Amino acid sequence: GDSVTQMEGPVTLSEEAFLTINCTYTATGYPSLFWYVQYPGEGLQLLLKATKADDKGSNKGFEATYRKETTSFHLEKGSVQVSDSAVYFCALRAGSGNTGKLIFGQGTTLQVKP
Amino acid sequence: DAGVIQSPRHEVTEMGQEVTLRCKPISGHDYLFWYRQTMMRGLELLIYFNNNVPIDDSGMPEDRFSAKMPNASFSTLKIQPSEPRDSAVYFCASRRGGRSNYGYTFGSGTRLTVV
Repeated sequence: GDSVTQMEGPVTLSEEAFLTINCTYTATGYPSLFWYVQYPGEGLQLLLKATKADDKGSNKGFEATYRKETTSFHLEKGSVQVSDSAVYFCALRAGSGNTGKLIFGQGTTLQVKP
Repeated sequence: DAGVIQSPRHEVTEMGQEVTLRCKPISGHDYLFWYRQTMMRGLELLIYFNNNVPIDDSGMPEDRFSAKMPNASFSTLKIQPSEPRDSAVYFCASRRGGRSNYGYTFGSGTRLTVV
């Protein structure tokens, strides 16, 4: 079945460091890919998305490129801030048919220290 | 738009009691999802609806759990009887129908504690 695998956390960085959170997926067809962010005590918020191979999603300085050849959608940010501390979830929706179901990775906790 | 609204935000109940969680999706969204989040199991999809009809309830853990969507603006998730292992944060989410790249909008969640 379809699945998403993320790098384990927590990831601890100093402010202004470069961030990469790895995400790989297994899916049939051509899924849409998403990154969600969850701040403490809140629900998940859509951070960015990509719908086809080589698309780059970007938002708030975060970027991720849909790589079909490596089945990956790694999240990057050039300079993190303390306010980026949160849990980040990679997710996919199968592109074949409109099943409506998002499949999430296990989440990666990011801690940014001043 | 007020977003997806869940109530209550926090619920503490005794084992064996009935618990009802409520969700109001965003107006015009055709899909509604119930997720459960725990440290051990992460985010689990319990059930989802399309146009008020349950489509996939394979994630519902057992018969103690039931969900309804009587109309397009309201859904409930009921646990009867509740058990301590049901303690978790329960999220409701909704999205528009049609294209597969529409994202979900999540509510703020209900933190359930069963003692």
